[in-house]
Amino acid sequence: GDSVTQMEGPVTLSEEAFLTINCTYTATGYPSLFWYVQYPGEGLQLLLKATKADDKGSNKGFEATYRKETTSFHLEKGSVQVSDSAVYFCALSDWGNTGNQFYFGTGTSLTVIP
Amino acid sequence: SQTIHQWPATLVQPVGSPLSLECTVEGTSNPNLYWYRQAAGRGLQLLFYSVGIGQISSEVPQNLSASRPQDRQFILSSKKLLLSDSGFYLCAWSSGRARVYEQYFGPGTRLTVT
Repeated sequence: GDSVTQMEGPVTLSEEAFLTINCTYTATGYPSLFWYVQYPGEGLQLLLKATKADDKGSNKGFEATYRKETTSFHLEKGSVQVSDSAVYFCALSDWGNTGNQFYFGTGTSLTVIP
Repeated sequence: SQTIHQWPATLVQPVGSPLSLECTVEGTSNPNLYWYRQAAGRGLQLLFYSVGIGQISSEVPQNLSASRPQDRQFILSSKKLLLSDSGFYLCAWSSGRARVYEQYFGPGTRLTVT
């Protein structure tokens, strides 16, 4: 079945450092891919998405490219800020027998220190 | 625009007491609705999903139940809470008409069973 595997955390970076959070997926169909962010005590917010191979999703300085050949969707940001401290979830949506099926990674906690 | 509400925001209940958490969505019709549980420092566990009024699918056996009495209302219930029911409960919706749309999450309910 479909699944998402993302990099184990926690990740601690200094402000202005480069961020990469790895995400790979397994899917039987042609999934859409997403990154969500969760700030402490809050629900998940959609950060960015890509719906087909080679698409690049971007938002708030974060980027991720849908790589079908490597089944990956790694999240990157060139210069992180303290306010980026949160838990990041990689996810996919695929069409199954009962409609859209969603699969989430286990989350990667990011702490950015000044 | 669409919004999703959950209440209460926090809840402390004794073991053996009943539970009712409510989720409502505004600004869309015929959504797919989902209940997730997130244990402390853990990923998301899908509990229930619904593709229409009265249609509930359960993903894991447990002492929780869900109901969908109206198109945009989703309720999570229990007759007798267990300590293991503590966690952060998230409601989400996605378009029921599209193949590859993302999920949108509510703000969550923090449940502590004592």
